[in-house]
Amino acid sequence: DTAVSQTPKYLVTQMGNDKSIKCEQNLGHDTMYWYKQDSKKFLKIMFSYNNKELIINETVPNRFSPKSPDKAHLNLHINSLELGDSAVYFCASSQGPASVYEQYFGPGTRLTVT
Amino acid sequence: KNEVEQSPQNLTAQEGEFITINCSYSVGISALHWLQQHPGGGIVSLFMLSSGKKKHGRLIATINIQEKHSSLHITASHPRDSAVYICALYNTDKLIFGTGTRLQVFP
Repeated sequence: DTAVSQTPKYLVTQMGNDKSIKCEQNLGHDTMYWYKQDSKKFLKIMFSYNNKELIINETVPNRFSPKSPDKAHLNLHINSLELGDSAVYFCASSQGPASVYEQYFGPGTRLTVT
Repeated sequence: KNEVEQSPQNLTAQEGEFITINCSYSVGISALHWLQQHPGGGIVSLFMLSSGKKKHGRLIATINIQEKHSSLHITASHPRDSAVYICALYNTDKLIFGTGTRLQVFP
């Protein structure tokens, strides 16, 4: 059984489009995260939700909007896509805050904007 | 200066060698995570530390809070250990990642 799943695995789209990436965890965890890994393989946190409430919101363009319909899902919507948005996006979850608990990562979604 | 520095950036080893990867940081932290990213891209959490030492199989992680330093050791390295190892700090609700150490273990 997949613990943290993301769809789609690959996403190729044109500049200006709006797209969504979905994330689901079946671990019963309270906290979920979105990370971006750029072409230099550097990971950076974007958002973190705890029990559907936003707790970390790093400096990302407001074209990116996370949506948590329930504790098991954290989706990422991106409006007006730009070339610089091309990256691998990872979803993760943990039982609680990262100060106490390990994280479980999804397989990643490779977004290519042309 | 980056808040998190990892060394070395790249590391090659022969199978069986003892490996050490270092992570130094300049900020106060609540916890430090060691992650492994496989060549295929998947990321696995290896350890979460706030003090002392942890061991899982051939992997050992240590942290010295006073010296702001953590090490990841791999004993009896194997080609399947080839991956990028990343340390990440948890600091006031924010996760800060190191740039990673690329390890290649040859048979």
